[in-house]
Amino acid sequence: AQTVTQSQPEMSVQEAETVTLSCTYDTSESDYYLFWYKQPPSRQMILVIRQEAYKQQNATENRFSVNFQKAAKSFSLKISDSQLGDAAMYFCAYRSAGSNYQLIWGAGTKLIIKP
Amino acid sequence: DAGVIQSPRHEVTEMGQEVTLRCKPISGHNSLFWYRQTMMRGLELLIYFNNNVPIDDSGMPEDRFSAKMPNASFSTLKIQPSEPRDSAVYFCASSNGARGTEAFFGQGTRLTVV
Repeated sequence: AQTVTQSQPEMSVQEAETVTLSCTYDTSESDYYLFWYKQPPSRQMILVIRQEAYKQQNATENRFSVNFQKAAKSFSLKISDSQLGDAAMYFCAYRSAGSNYQLIWGAGTKLIIKP
Repeated sequence: DAGVIQSPRHEVTEMGQEVTLRCKPISGHNSLFWYRQTMMRGLELLIYFNNNVPIDDSGMPEDRFSAKMPNASFSTLKIQPSEPRDSAVYFCASSNGARGTEAFFGQGTRLTVV
């Protein structure tokens, strides 16, 4: 069975600086998808970025980028130029390409932005 | 698009009462999910519908929980009778089911059973 591990329960960063959130996963599959979701205090889960395992190029979305290391089964999220609005819980999630529904979730990392 | 719409946003009820949570998925999406989030257990998938048909309900904790999707634009999650341990945030999410697409979440219903 697949598992997702986020080893950092909480991280803090100074506003405008860069922070990296860690995520590792375990799977025997070769084709899958990885996601980072953000959950601000408003509670809604918002997709931040998505990575297809068959793509070697790391996904980027504005200030958000990932470092996808398939062999190491690592999928970290880098947030550049941190803003106060980035403060939230961040969840890493895995989905097999063979299944169109089952998301496997990490426990989450609480990101604190210091003004 | 208004996104996934859940109601109510908050629900406080007494133990033993019936609770019904509602969800309107994004138009055109054919997959719908109900999740429960607690501090202790994180996000748990309760049930998954595809084209209005329940595909996987293995996450439904017990017979007190039931879910329906009478049509493509509406789903309910019912708890009867409710218990204090059911207190959690319940999320509904939908996706178009295509390969690799993400699920879009509603804002959740915070349920408190006293």
